[in-house]
Amino acid sequence: ETGVTQTPRHLVMGMTNKKSLKCEQHLGHNAMYWYKQSAKKPLELMFVYSLEERVENNSVPSRFSPECPNSSHLFLHLHTLQPEDSALYLCASSQSRVRTEAFFGQGTRLTVV
Amino acid sequence: EDQVTQSPEALRLQEGESSSLNCSYTVSGLRGLFWYRQDPGKGPEFLFTLYSAGEEKEKERLKATLTKKESFLHITAPKPEDSATYLCASSGATNKLIFGTGTLLAVQP
Repeated sequence: ETGVTQTPRHLVMGMTNKKSLKCEQHLGHNAMYWYKQSAKKPLELMFVYSLEERVENNSVPSRFSPECPNSSHLFLHLHTLQPEDSALYLCASSQSRVRTEAFFGQGTRLTVV
Repeated sequence: EDQVTQSPEALRLQEGESSSLNCSYTVSGLRGLFWYRQDPGKGPEFLFTLYSAGEEKEKERLKATLTKKESFLHITAPKPEDSATYLCASSGATNKLIFGTGTLLAVQP
């Protein structure tokens, strides 16, 4: 069991649906991250939040919308996705933006049909 | 541009057959070199952080070492339960974790 919990573990959605991924960390960390993992590719950093403020957005399409209401919770809101967005979405946290030793959740396996 | 390259892509070992995984990195102002283990369908599990050349860390059958250009993950007398994908990542002046594509390790009994 990790200190970072993601729900749901699996999600199938149509291209016109709206859904949200949730992440909660119990480690007392101040930085949280969303990553995308596709087959045969390195993990891609999507968003970074530090003390609930978005500090980085790595050219991610607007159909992905993050939200960080407090330092323990992170959401990724999804709408009008494309089949190529199917991937494993991973949430991570670290002690701070500078202390990048990251701890990951179990991920959400997203399939867009 | 910061970059991490892992080799080999895949490695098959017999139980008890020791080997090493390689991680080559180029990064401005290294702040940390990280190793993770990832099982299928799960998130990466943190293993080690190395901060400077010459540093070594051990955990059970795993030992990570660091030079100015590479890191190695040595696996001594592996068991089938060590089968997983091992990921390497670096962090530098940009504070971003840059990951390699991983080495898929299979240990056969």
